[in-house]
Amino acid sequence: EVQLVESGGGLVQPGRSLKLSCAASGFTFSNYYMAWVRQAPKKGLEWVATISTSGSRTYYPDSVKGRFTISRDNAKSSLYLQMNSLKSEDTATYYCARLRYGFDYWGQGVMVTVSS
Amino acid sequence: DVVMTQTPPSLSVAIGQSVSISCKSSQSLVASDKNTYLNWLLQSPGRSPKRLIYQVSKLDSGVPDRFSGSGSEKDFTLKISRVEAEDLGVYYCLQGTHLPYTFGAGTKLELK
Repeated sequence: EVQLVESGGGLVQPGRSLKLSCAASGFTFSNYYMAWVRQAPKKGLEWVATISTSGSRTYYPDSVKGRFTISRDNAKSSLYLQMNSLKSEDTATYYCARLRYGFDYWGQGVMVTVSS
Repeated sequence: DVVMTQTPPSLSVAIGQSVSISCKSSQSLVASDKNTYLNWLLQSPGRSPKRLIYQVSKLDSGVPDRFSGSGSEKDFTLKISRVEAEDLGVYYCLQGTHLPYTFGAGTKLELK
């Protein structure tokens, strides 16, 4: 059974940093592109980052480019999202997702609140 | 960026009724490999999204055949035949053809 379990969320002040983790199991992690998607409270879904199987290629929307960094450790079947220079508009539930013709499996999500 | 216009924003249905949700993209979603990367997802209350359909019309494993997807190029439809209580929640379309990937704003399916 595919499982994606996020961790690392919490309350952080504007301008500070936070690193999210996603532990994957139930599939060969190194064979799949992976992604982060977020959802602001009571809002829709926004794609945040994608990483290739080896980690050599990464993709971001303009809203986070230069502030967020996606990475992975295939030996640990883990995905990460380093978030720097956080803003109040980054407040959201962050989901880890597997890519296969779109986002086929999602984690349960982790809440990040950016507030002073 | 590709804009995904999803309608209606909400639907009030009775159990057993059939409904359709529309998703229109601002650009063709046909990729260079000739595939069309259009997904439909359901987010049940308090849950993470779950994919139902990929590549316009292919059902994910375990998804009831009451769900069907159709369309091409820029115009797509999700149909639910004989709505059941477990189908309630917010439906999203997603395009995975062009970066950045973009979602529709969602359609909330509620009980009448």
